[in-house]
Amino acid sequence: KNEVEQSPQNLTAQEGEFITINCSYSVGISALHWLQQHPGGGIVSLFMLSSGKKKHGRLIATINIQEKHSSLHITASHPRDSAVYICAVSERASGTYKYIFGTGTRLKVLA
Amino acid sequence: GAGVSQSPSNKVTEKGKDVELRCDPISGHTALYWYRQSLGQGLEFLIYFQGNSAPDKSGLPSDRFSAERTGGSVSTLTIQRTQQEDSAVYLCASSFTGSTEAFFGQGTRLTVV
Repeated sequence: KNEVEQSPQNLTAQEGEFITINCSYSVGISALHWLQQHPGGGIVSLFMLSSGKKKHGRLIATINIQEKHSSLHITASHPRDSAVYICAVSERASGTYKYIFGTGTRLKVLA
Repeated sequence: GAGVSQSPSNKVTEKGKDVELRCDPISGHTALYWYRQSLGQGLEFLIYFQGNSAPDKSGLPSDRFSAERTGGSVSTLTIQRTQQEDSAVYLCASSFTGSTEAFFGQGTRLTVV
């Protein structure tokens, strides 16, 4: 079992839909990150969370430390949101800040 | 530069040849990471540099892989005698000391033919 699990693996939505991507993890963490990877391969950091909720534009990320679960929400989705969304955790016990990555959620938003 | 810079962006090499991948971290970042993303797979950790400390090489898949970081800045990942299974996107990230937030480069897409 992977230490970081994401669901769904693939998601197709119509423009304007509200989207939720989930991430569950099984290790103690320093922080959880949501990353966005576009087809060219480059990665952009969207959020870093250690508690609560963060909002940036149409993106909202929440984390429940007790339940070891985080969600990424996209409101009013747009085709330009099409990308792979990756959940990653910084493992607390490692002594360093190596990320452990989920396998990603491939999102396609149709016009 | 403003972000993490990697070069080349794409590299096609013949099986058995050696390749070098370069990473220029954000100025002032003391931590530097290399990750690999094979086709259809998630990202996996390769190596981590922190200041002048000995690097954490625990993720390197074989002794054909090595990395160095000169002057605490630029890093080079070297793959000797490349194999087809080395084909992947190699990503570099950097961060400030003690920070869990890493900034990623655009990656180098390596294809071994």
